[in-house]
Formats: sequence, C-alpha cells, structure tokens
Amino acid sequence: NAGVMQNPRHLVRRRGQEARLRCSPMKGHSHVYWYRQLPEEGLKFMVYLQKENIIDESGMPKERFSAEFPKEGPSILRIQQVVRGDSAAYFCASSPNLDGYTFGSGTRLTVV
Amino acid sequence: AQSVTQLGSHVSVSEGALVLLRCNYSSSVPPYLFWYVQYPNQGLQLLLKYTSAATLVKGINGFEAEFKKSETSFHLTKPSAHMSDAAEYFCAVTEGRTNAGKSTFGDGTTLTVKP
Repeated sequence: NAGVMQNPRHLVRRRGQEARLRCSPMKGHSHVYWYRQLPEEGLKFMVYLQKENIIDESGMPKERFSAEFPKEGPSILRIQQVVRGDSAAYFCASSPNLDGYTFGSGTRLTVV
Repeated sequence: AQSVTQLGSHVSVSEGALVLLRCNYSSSVPPYLFWYVQYPNQGLQLLLKYTSAATLVKGINGFEAEFKKSETSFHLTKPSAHMSDAAEYFCAVTEGRTNAGKSTFGDGTTLTVKP
C-alpha cells in the first residue's frame, strides 16, 4: 500500500503563473481532503471531495483556487495567478470512513 | 462549531522526563479527537484517536491521551521522552459524520528534547 501520494514535493512558481498540485489517495479511500499550512501555523481546511463531487469547499478562497477529483486519476488542487501569499505547504489526506486521516507528505509551494 | 486550543506553542523536556502536551477542544456534538505528529518537511502522522470508546487511548511510540469531557481536554502524554520524539504535535477535532469528517487543527506544539 503506497499511502497517500502527492506530487510534486516542491513547486516554485513566479507570480501570475498557475500551480497544479496532485494527490492520489490510499487504495480504498474515497474521501479526499486538502489542507493548507502557512509558516508557523496549523493546518487549515480547504476542501473535501469524493469521486467527481465537491462535498465541502468552505475553506477555499473564493477566487483563483479550484479542486477536482475525477472518476479516473488523482485529485487536483489548482491555483491560478499565484501570489506570494499562496506560498505554503499543501497537504492532501484521505480517509475510508471519516474518523481519521492518512496524510501525504505535502507539496511545498514557493511563489517568487 | 468545533475548535481546538493547544496550550504552549513550545515545550522543552529533558530526555527521560515526562511529556505533557495540552489540548482543549470545543464541539457542539460528541467529538472525535486526534493527535498527529509532524517531522520537519514531512506530512502528519496519526499518533492516536478518540472516537467515543475508551477514554484512555494508547497510540504509537508510547504516547497516550485521556479524553476528559468535564474538562473538554485531550492532553497527550508519554512517561519518558526520547530524542526521537522531537517534532511538532497537532491536536485536531472533528464532529465526525455531522460535518463529513472535516477536522479543525490546533496551531501545534513544538516539542524539544534535551539530552
């Protein structure tokens, strides 16, 4: 069991570019969550998805951010027109049953 | 609504000493509670979880936590610290199926272990 796979581990983007972060959940896990960790802070919920459905996106910024979890392939967190304030670690977690997560190793986004 | 407060952003103990990391929660329904550990540049690893069974929960690496409803607390303890325990620890609460497993995390406590 490969665990939750996130890629890339590190991503550098210039201001105004797009960032695409990928997450493959653990086998058998149908619930996927994205969290953002800003420097010196805890994790903040962004979005919860199941296959082909966004269940809760209450933590997503209203503009520039979107997420999907297609029928085939990984979940994607997309950030358009990145700004310096988007620099953070983005973690994906998956769960089989809503009572505890397995986290990926994260993608560390740096906007220059 | 759910929330978590971790008391003390930094805790320092000597190797072999007791580790106590404090967590208080707020929840409008019986909560599920978790402790995670994060090593530098890595993801979070689940240490233990409380999901309404036994109030004293044992986890990995010798850690345990006790759910105290009257005190709305879920403090993490380990009798004897090892150097390898140095990491950041996060307490989290979820209202389970009532909010689809969405967790609220504390701001974390950095544990330093002195030789």
